Amino acid sequence: EPEVTQTPSHQVTQMGQEVILRCVPISNHLYFYWYRQILGQKVEFLVSFYNNEISEKSEIFDDQFSVERPDGSNFTLKIRSTKLEDSAMYFCASSRRGQGAGELFFGEGSRLTVL
Amino acid sequence: AQRVTQPEKLLSVFKGAPVELKCNYSYSGSPELFWYVQYSRQRLQLLLRHISRESIKGFTADLNKGETSFHLKKPFAQEEDSAMYYCALNHRGSTLGRLYFGRGTQLTVWP
Repeated sequence: EPEVTQTPSHQVTQMGQEVILRCVPISNHLYFYWYRQILGQKVEFLVSFYNNEISEKSEIFDDQFSVERPDGSNFTLKIRSTKLEDSAMYFCASSRRGQGAGELFFGEGSRLTVL
Repeated sequence: AQRVTQPEKLLSVFKGAPVELKCNYSYSGSPELFWYVQYSRQRLQLLLRHISRESIKGFTADLNKGETSFHLKKPFAQEEDSAMYYCALNHRGSTLGRLYFGRGTQLTVWP
């Protein structure tokens, strides 16, 4: 069964450094998402991406964040200058359809630790 | 504003006992409600959605608009049901993927 894959599984970085988290969505999916979960808190929406552009973003997704689909398979989340509060588990997800389908397929997550 | 509340952080039952995981939401429009589950060392995955009105792994959930609830129920819990359960809401008009999650309930089913 196809799965969403994420790399790295864990990354440790210094505050102020740039980080890129990578995701390979399921191949026939058209909608891509990033969520994050700070330890002990809720899973929070960051951004959705469709047709090579952002379709919606949350208030968390400020100018230090960006997403890109550099080729036909990868979907990346870049954090330009990491802060301590960016430490979290970042989940990539994809879905086949837009409105009404309801099922997101999640990756296993990338744990980011900012020191 | 949309909000999903799962009042129990932890829930323990014995095998064979009924289980109910509570979920309440606040949203003024017509919501779409989901239950996602995360088994130990596995990824988050969809368990069921209210529009399907289906039973998955013996679990059911009914949307009660009057009480703004979407509780997850199973009449006879099994050890393999032990997992983290997340209630989630998507409001119509939003891009599909903007789910609002509750904080989750860790269910432990004892033998």
